[in-house]
Amino acid sequence: SQQGEEDPQALSIQEGENATMNCSYKTSINNLQWYRQNSGRGLVHLILIRSNEREKHSGRLRVTLDTSKKSSSLLITASRAADTASYFCATDMGQAGTALIFGKGTTLSVSS
Amino acid sequence: EPEVTQTPSHQVTQMGQEVILRCVPISNHLYFYWYRQILGQKVEFLVSFYNNEISEKSEIFDDQFSVERPDGSNFTLKIRSTKLEDSAMYFCASNGLAAQETQYFGPGTRLLVL
Repeated sequence: SQQGEEDPQALSIQEGENATMNCSYKTSINNLQWYRQNSGRGLVHLILIRSNEREKHSGRLRVTLDTSKKSSSLLITASRAADTASYFCATDMGQAGTALIFGKGTTLSVSS
Repeated sequence: EPEVTQTPSHQVTQMGQEVILRCVPISNHLYFYWYRQILGQKVEFLVSFYNNEISEKSEIFDDQFSVERPDGSNFTLKIRSTKLEDSAMYFCASNGLAAQETQYFGPGTRLLVL
């Protein structure tokens, strides 16, 4: 089954540094999305990248997608303590109403 | 900005009891979903709902689970006879037409089964 798997599982950095998280999946997808989850809270949508896109930016976020390698990366530049959270990639087949398949997530800790 | 809301935020119940988790999706959305996240684990899909019927469900969504849209705004998940392993955070999500594949999630209901 299609499945996003992030690495690293945990990442600790200092404020101002960049954080890079990677996601791999197994089957063909139509979209890949990144979500953030603060401890014990809900999922906040960050960015969606379609299978025909290679790179997308949103503020301090940069997402890349390599469909030939079935992988994506999320780069957070100039990190802040408020970026401390778990980050998940989720894949889908593109039709509304289909399931998102989540990876296990990367726990990012940004210290000041 | 419109958002998905869920009630209650926390629920504690005894094993074998029925629980109903409630969600109000974003008002112009047509597709509704339930997911769950057992503590420390990944988010898992349970069910999707469109046009008053289930469009997709996972293996987790067995006969103990049911969903309903009782009126024009609420979307509910019922667990008929809760088990200890049902303890998890339950998330509702919604999205619109095919051009809007982003699923927007609610804050979740933390269910604890004792």
